[in-house]
Amino acid sequence: DGGITQSPKYLFRKEGQNVTLSCEQNLNHDAMYWYRQDPGQGLRLIYYSQIVNDFQKGDIAEGYSVSREKKESFPLTVTSAQKNPTAFYLCASSSGRIVDNEQFFGPGTRLTVL
Amino acid sequence: KNQVEQSPQSLIILEGKNCTLQCNYTVSPFSNLRWYKQDTGRGPVSLTIMTFSENTKSNGRYTATLDADTKQSSLHITASQLSDSASYICVVSGMGTYKYIFGTGTRLKVLA
Repeated sequence: DGGITQSPKYLFRKEGQNVTLSCEQNLNHDAMYWYRQDPGQGLRLIYYSQIVNDFQKGDIAEGYSVSREKKESFPLTVTSAQKNPTAFYLCASSSGRIVDNEQFFGPGTRLTVL
Repeated sequence: KNQVEQSPQSLIILEGKNCTLQCNYTVSPFSNLRWYKQDTGRGPVSLTIMTFSENTKSNGRYTATLDADTKQSSLHITASQLSDSASYICVVSGMGTYKYIFGTGTRLKVLA
C-alpha cells in the first residue's frame, strides 16, 4: 500500500528529554511537512522540506529540529527547548508540483509530556 | 495577512439531515482550496480540491462550492450519516508557494 506512516502512535516524554517522531512515505513525493495540532487551533507548520538535504523553518520551529537525508524519511525531534510539546503531530507529503499540490497526511503521533 | 476562517465552530444535526459548512479566506494570490475530513485522532483526508476556475465539485454526498470573487467556499453534506461525525477543515494554498493555510475546522456531530 502507498501512503505515509508515522510512529509511534502515542509517545510519552519526561520533561527535559528529547524525542524523535518518525515519518516515512512511499509515494515518491519530493515535499514533506510537519504540523502541530492543538485543540481549537488550525494546523501549524513546524518545518517543511521541498527536496532531500534541504528544509526550511515553518511558523513554530523553535524547540524542534528535522533532517531530510532520504527522500522517503523526514524525522522530527522535539527537544527539551520546546516549552509546551504536548500536542498531536501530523506529517504530510506532496508531489511538490505547484498546480496540484495535494497534501497526504499520516495518521499522527500524540505526544504527552509527563 | 493570509487567513482562513470557518464557521460554525461546531454543529450537531440528526442523521439524514443536510448541512452546510462555511469557509472564508484572505489568501492571495489564490491557487486552490481543499476540504479535508479528520476523524478524531487520525490524519486529515482530502474530500475535494477546487481551483480558481471551478465553482462547484462533488464527491458523493459532499459538494463544495467556491466563489473566488468573494473568497468564500462552502461544503454541503447531503443525507448525513453517523460516519460523517468528524472535523472538517478548509485549507487554502497560495500561488507559487509550498505553504498551506489551515482553518480551525468545524466539528460536526451526527446523532441517530
